[in-house]
Amino acid sequence: NAGVMQNPRHLVRRRGQEARLRCSPMKGHSHVYWYRQLPEEGLKFMVYLQKENIIDESGMPKERFSAEFPKEGPSILRIQQVVRGDSAAYFCASSALGQGIVGYTFGSGTRLTVV
Amino acid sequence: ELKVEQNPLFLSMQEGKNYTIYCNYSTTSDRLYWYRQDPGKSLESLFVLLSNGAVKQEGRLMASLDTKARLSTLHITAAVHDLSATYFCAVGQETSGSRLTFGEGTQLTVNP
Repeated sequence: NAGVMQNPRHLVRRRGQEARLRCSPMKGHSHVYWYRQLPEEGLKFMVYLQKENIIDESGMPKERFSAEFPKEGPSILRIQQVVRGDSAAYFCASSALGQGIVGYTFGSGTRLTVV
Repeated sequence: ELKVEQNPLFLSMQEGKNYTIYCNYSTTSDRLYWYRQDPGKSLESLFVLLSNGAVKQEGRLMASLDTKARLSTLHITAAVHDLSATYFCAVGQETSGSRLTFGEGTQLTVNP
């Protein structure tokens, strides 16, 4: 049973380019969460999605960031026109229950570097 | 707004010693999690605490939850070098759906 799969593991983008981060949840999990971790800091919630629905996007920056979780395929976190401040580790987590009572399983993360 | 504070943020200890990491949170919570993160790695789930007075132990680590004091502790017994990592507590609230609010993390270094 593969865990939460994120790719790519490392991503380098020049300022102004687009970054697309992918997350495939654990088998049987239909709830996906994205978190961002800036260097030397804790994780900050970004967005919570179910299949084809955004449930809570209160942590998403208002501009340039978007997320989707289509009926088929992985969840995508998209960052348009990246800036240096977007450099961070982006973690995806999944759960089988909406409340995550039994805990979340985190992926290995995508480390985005904007040069 | 829920705030989660950990202390200490940095902890250097010798092998064989005991120590406690504290996690305070500002509003009522119905669940608390402890995670471990090694440098450049993902988060590994250690404990899930769901009720007042809950205590869980795994090896040299023991976590407890006091919901009245809004405090969780992670106690390390007879530390070994392999425990060196960053430890995060995270708090969930039913009112905020499934989002977790993380503490800043405690960077633990265990010296021989």
